[in-house]
Amino acid sequence: EDKVVQSPLSLVVHEGDTVTLNCSYEVTNFRSLLWYKQEKKAPTFLFMLTSSGIEKKSGRLSSILDKKELFSILNITATQTGDSAVYLCALPPNYGGSQGNLIFGKGTKLSVKP
Amino acid sequence: DGGITQSPKYLFRKEGQNVTLSCEQNLNHDAMYWYRQDPGQGLRLIYYSQIVNDFQKGDIAEGYSVSREKKESFPLTVTSAQKNPTAFYLCASSPGTGANTEAFFGQGTRLTVV
Repeated sequence: EDKVVQSPLSLVVHEGDTVTLNCSYEVTNFRSLLWYKQEKKAPTFLFMLTSSGIEKKSGRLSSILDKKELFSILNITATQTGDSAVYLCALPPNYGGSQGNLIFGKGTKLSVKP
Repeated sequence: DGGITQSPKYLFRKEGQNVTLSCEQNLNHDAMYWYRQDPGQGLRLIYYSQIVNDFQKGDIAEGYSVSREKKESFPLTVTSAQKNPTAFYLCASSPGTGANTEAFFGQGTRLTVV
């Protein structure tokens, strides 16, 4: 059975800290791994990873994939209160379909204190 | 502006009633999806449609029904058969099968059974 496991489930840090969020997965037919940020309502796309070892970077956020060990990490450096959100990891399942029917992890709730 | 519009934002339903949640997109995407999100849980797929007049059950389709008569619209009906319908419902779309792009989400509908 395809599954996605995120850790930790919640995390409280102070502004300026660096955090690492983890996502491990089991999927029969890997195609891609996606990270989303959900602040209040709609999840917003952060990264799509398809290749091992290639870091994707956007400002203070970066992510990398390890297809051998079946995990990805999302790093946030110099955290700000605006980074407070639930971070979701997701993968397309084995039964195919387009990239939208995703299997999601439970998310990591990040709280950044001033 | 292009995007996905869900309505209403908040919906209250009496037990035993059917309700329909609206999802419209003007992104010209072929594929559309409905997810349910419960507290402490990731998103779970209810139904998805890869093309007009076709849709498939997701992981938790029982008690729900959908239609896809138009490309831009994918309404979700929560029937009285759904035992625990109180949840946050998210609609998403993506360009189509095999497209290596992310899914775009609407702002969600919070359904409460009273």
